[in-house]
Amino acid sequence: GAVVSQHPSWVICKSGTSVKIECRSLDFQATTMFWYRQFPKQSLMLMATSNEGSKATYEQGVEKDKFLINHASLTLSTLTVTSAHPEDSSFYICSARDFKALSTDTQYFGPGTRLTVL
Amino acid sequence: QQQVKQSPQSLIVQKGGISIINCAYENTAFDYFPWYQQFPGKGPALLIAIRPDVSEKKEGRFTISFNKSAKQFSLHIMDSQPGDSATYFCAASIDQAGTALIFGKGTTLSVSS
Repeated sequence: GAVVSQHPSWVICKSGTSVKIECRSLDFQATTMFWYRQFPKQSLMLMATSNEGSKATYEQGVEKDKFLINHASLTLSTLTVTSAHPEDSSFYICSARDFKALSTDTQYFGPGTRLTVL
Repeated sequence: QQQVKQSPQSLIVQKGGISIINCAYENTAFDYFPWYQQFPGKGPALLIAIRPDVSEKKEGRFTISFNKSAKQFSLHIMDSQPGDSATYFCAASIDQAGTALIFGKGTTLSVSS
């Protein structure tokens, strides 16, 4: 099946620094990637939709200047958390849609990145 | 109208029993309903999915029942095993390019041996 990878799997950083998280579709091309955020024992909350070659669409309440998303190729999207603060500590998960899949709704999820801001 | 309501929040089932998780939606434009399984510290994995043109779909021990008129769908796990202990999320989406999944709040399933 389709595989989505994320790097790093976990990261600890100091408050005020920026952290970049990569999301890659390994064996398929993804015109659309999604970024989710998940707090402990809670559901996945959509942060933004990333389309290759265009600007990301952010959900209401998500600061686009704080969570920078770049979808530079059909296999790579990056999320940069700028000037991170402890409240940004969370589990960040990306998903990618295989545009060649018979079902256009099939989304494949990455393993997630645990961000801890000290 | 974009919400997907999931219940129960947690569920304890004996080994060999049937686990049932329910979801309800309001947006009649939704036409894709997947279930995801998530283990702690891992990303969600697609378990099974259904479209509104069928009322039931079965894959191994997992069955989705779909009631279009009631706008409800449920996941049944037959012969539940301790390895099924995880968090299960229902979701819904509209079949359009670039449309994200809307997730339910999740159900934590514990299967006792």
